[in-house]
Amino acid sequence: QVQLVESGGGVVQPGKSLRLSCAASGFTFSDYAMHWVRQAPGKGLEWVSLISHAGSIKYYADSLKGRFTISRDNSNNTLSLQMNSLRAEDTAVYYCSRGALKGDPVRDFDYWGQGTLVTVSS
Amino acid sequence: DIQMTQSPSSLSASVGDRVTITCRASQSINSYLNWYQQTPGKAPKLLIYSASNLQSGVPSRFSGSGSGTDFTLTISSLQPEDFATYSCQQTYSTPNTFGQGTKVEIK
Repeated sequence: QVQLVESGGGVVQPGKSLRLSCAASGFTFSDYAMHWVRQAPGKGLEWVSLISHAGSIKYYADSLKGRFTISRDNSNNTLSLQMNSLRAEDTAVYYCSRGALKGDPVRDFDYWGQGTLVTVSS
Repeated sequence: DIQMTQSPSSLSASVGDRVTITCRASQSINSYLNWYQQTPGKAPKLLIYSASNLQSGVPSRFSGSGSGTDFTLTISSLQPEDFATYSCQQTYSTPNTFGQGTKVEIK
């Protein structure tokens, strides 16, 4: 069965960095695009970033202004999100989600991890 | 960016009621529309993809319709486990924006 398990969240001071990971299993990781989505406390869902199945194409939310970097390791079935210059408004639960199968854009965001909480506070 | 507007923001309903939630996109997204269910402390769960396709394992009381800019999620007979927040999302183009959510509460 498909499993996505996020890790790396925690409490971090403003201006510092944090790296999130998402361990994938139960499917051929290298065949799927992957997303990060976040949810601030009591707020709605916000898409953060997308990486293509091979890692060659990356997109980001404009609000991140180049502070976040998405990457993947297809040999280890792992998705990562490097977050730099963190701000209080980055406080949220961060979810990884499985994207579309290469060559088939119909089903996107069909599986989600349980999320990892990032709190940016001094 | 494509803006997604859901209505209502919240609703109260009873078990057995028929519930309808609408989602409007600021421009045409064809049928690239997902619906999710989320309960507190849990990850979103995909209910409907491509506007009208039921995700595997989702009860048939959930259905979706629409294309272009106007979409609807319908729960034909509300069950106790359906009290949750429902969100739409366009997967037509990045950023893949979400609606603000509709909280379905017990009347």
